[in-house]
Amino acid sequence: DGGITQSPKYLFRKEGQNVTLSCEQNLNHDAMYWYRQDPGQGLRLIYYSQIVNDFQKGDIAEGYSVSREKKESFPLTVTSAQKNPTAFYLCASRPPGSEGYTFGSGTRLTVV
Amino acid sequence: GDSVTQMEGPVTLSEEACLTINCTYTATGYPSLFWYVQYPGEGLQLLLKATKADDKGSNKGFEATYRKETTSFHLEKGSVQVSDSAVYFCAAERNTGFQKLVFGTGTRLLVSP
Repeated sequence: DGGITQSPKYLFRKEGQNVTLSCEQNLNHDAMYWYRQDPGQGLRLIYYSQIVNDFQKGDIAEGYSVSREKKESFPLTVTSAQKNPTAFYLCASRPPGSEGYTFGSGTRLTVV
Repeated sequence: GDSVTQMEGPVTLSEEACLTINCTYTATGYPSLFWYVQYPGEGLQLLLKATKADDKGSNKGFEATYRKETTSFHLEKGSVQVSDSAVYFCAAERNTGFQKLVFGTGTRLLVSP
């Protein structure tokens, strides 16, 4: 079955370390997205990519970086510059048209 | 910019009660509208959608009608079940330019037996 796989499900990081969250999709979707979810704040867009080798900053890109070397993969790096990285991170992809997004099951990042 | 406003929760109901979760949007033109559901510890799942005015989206007993005149897309269900307990997100997406979803803050629904 096609879908989006995010790994790991839980991730712990020490302050000052970079960490990379994986997102892989086998849906053949061009567009992919990273969202951050905090309690009571809904979802906020970090980065998005329309096609391979192209990506754009979202609303809260500071302290994050991404790459899109393959259509299937859109990894997110949380750098030490991100002041408050503890959150639930969701990756999504979408087909052309108005079919809505397909979401992964998320990665919960905790800074210890 | 575009925005989505939905009622704050939590909404607490008894099983078989009626549900309404309000959602209004502010957007240029006529966006596509969506309701997503999130169960504990999981990602979001598309519940239903509507792409133009007066469209009604429906799924699993949930319904929402795209009301252009009131810029609303309220989620309704006639009889909720315990298994409906989750967080519900309303979202809007422009139909021009590069599409990206704008989400509301989410409404937690708690259904007790």
